[in-house]
Amino acid sequence: AIRMTQSPSSLSASTGDRVTITCRASQGISSYLAWYQQKPGKAPKLLIYAASTLQRGVPSRFSGSGSGTDFTLTISCLQSEDFATYYCQQYYSYPRSFGQGTKLEIK
Amino acid sequence: EVQLVESGGGLVQPGGSLRLSCAASGFTFSSYEMNWVRQAPGKGLEWVSYISSSGSTMYYADSVKGRFTISRDNAKNSLYLQMNSLRAEDTAVYYCARWLQFWGQGTLVTVSS
Repeated sequence: AIRMTQSPSSLSASTGDRVTITCRASQGISSYLAWYQQKPGKAPKLLIYAASTLQRGVPSRFSGSGSGTDFTLTISCLQSEDFATYYCQQYYSYPRSFGQGTKLEIK
Repeated sequence: EVQLVESGGGLVQPGGSLRLSCAASGFTFSSYEMNWVRQAPGKGLEWVSYISSSGSTMYYADSVKGRFTISRDNAKNSLYLQMNSLRAEDTAVYYCARWLQFWGQGTLVTVSS
């Protein structure tokens, strides 16, 4: 099974900041990597798929990069609505696996 | 509009059984693979099970293998998860999902005496 490791597990930042979350796969997954945002009590929302393709309707301040084993999610200018928990997920093979999550909090 | 609506959650005793349902609408259900994902209270996301569009292929997480069974009824546009021998650690919100974009709102399963 492929293990996904996210870092950091939590992050404090201010509105307007640029933040980066990393995700590492235990083996190569090409670009089969998605990023989700989840707010309390809600289902995850797809932000990025294929490592760097922005889902329709997602603001352009979100971007993703990487391939193989190392990936990043960058939010270029934090807005108040971006404070949430973020997960990466590999869809290269089953069992599917998620990172443990990164909780983005207001400083 | 794609909609996935889970139901069937509730409180069950350890060792008990529960059957979750997911009603799909807004797309051709029989053409899509489906998954169940769960999230324990305050924890991260955990993939649980997969079923192919025809229902001929299923996969399970090791944590539920031999206890949970995924199935679907394409005529009824419905996905199911039969959960047997439930344990406290199965307590979670269960989501049905059509990768990657569409998720239901979740149904809470609580395993407790």
